Amino acid sequence: QVQLQESGPGLVKPSQTLSLTCTVSGGSISSGSYYWSWIRQPAGKGLEWIGRIYTSGSTNYNPSLKSRVTISVDTSKNQFSLKLSSVTAADTAVYYCARTDVWGKGTTVTVSS
Amino acid sequence: QAVVTQEPSLTVSPGGTVTLTCGSSTGAVTSGHYPYWFQQKPGQAPRTLIYDTSNKHSWTPARFSGSLLGGKAALTLSGAQPEDEAEYYCLLSYSGVYWVFGGGTKLTVL
Repeated sequence: QVQLQESGPGLVKPSQTLSLTCTVSGGSISSGSYYWSWIRQPAGKGLEWIGRIYTSGSTNYNPSLKSRVTISVDTSKNQFSLKLSSVTAADTAVYYCARTDVWGKGTTVTVSS
Repeated sequence: QAVVTQEPSLTVSPGGTVTLTCGSSTGAVTSGHYPYWFQQKPGQAPRTLIYDTSNKHSWTPARFSGSLLGGKAALTLSGAQPEDEAEYYCLLSYSGVYWVFGGGTKLTVL
């Protein structure tokens, strides 16, 4: 079955760009009609939807983050990625990639100098 | 941006029935919001239980069901088990453009 795995730096400096990759295994990211999403969760808090990319490549973003977020897909590597610019301590969270029915285990990103 | 509301906490007795709800600041929740329900246990990633209001995945226990109730999306747990103690989140779609999570309901089985 399809599995997702997040990867990327666990520590990012303030004002820099956070970059994460989600690797899809057990199936092709190009097949079917799916949304591939990024979601985050600050410690002890709820889930926040960041954005998604459709199988066709079209994207939608959380309006509150839209100016700082870019989600892209690399079908040759069966991956999709998140870039979040101008990060602050408020962006510290566990970041999940998901296909809505399947979730990665999450990766912790801390924003600190 | 819309705000999605859930009960902060609920308690159910083992074997009992409980309904969690998911409301929207924009008005009644409809099937057009394609409600999702997720279960998250401490230290784990969320798991999808319900999609498109009432559809279950193969791993969703039969005791969970989704519906629309009184202008809200609802998740009903019938015959609660100790392992159902968790945080539950709903997710609503707005105009097919963006999604919003509810704040979560902490369900205690006691």
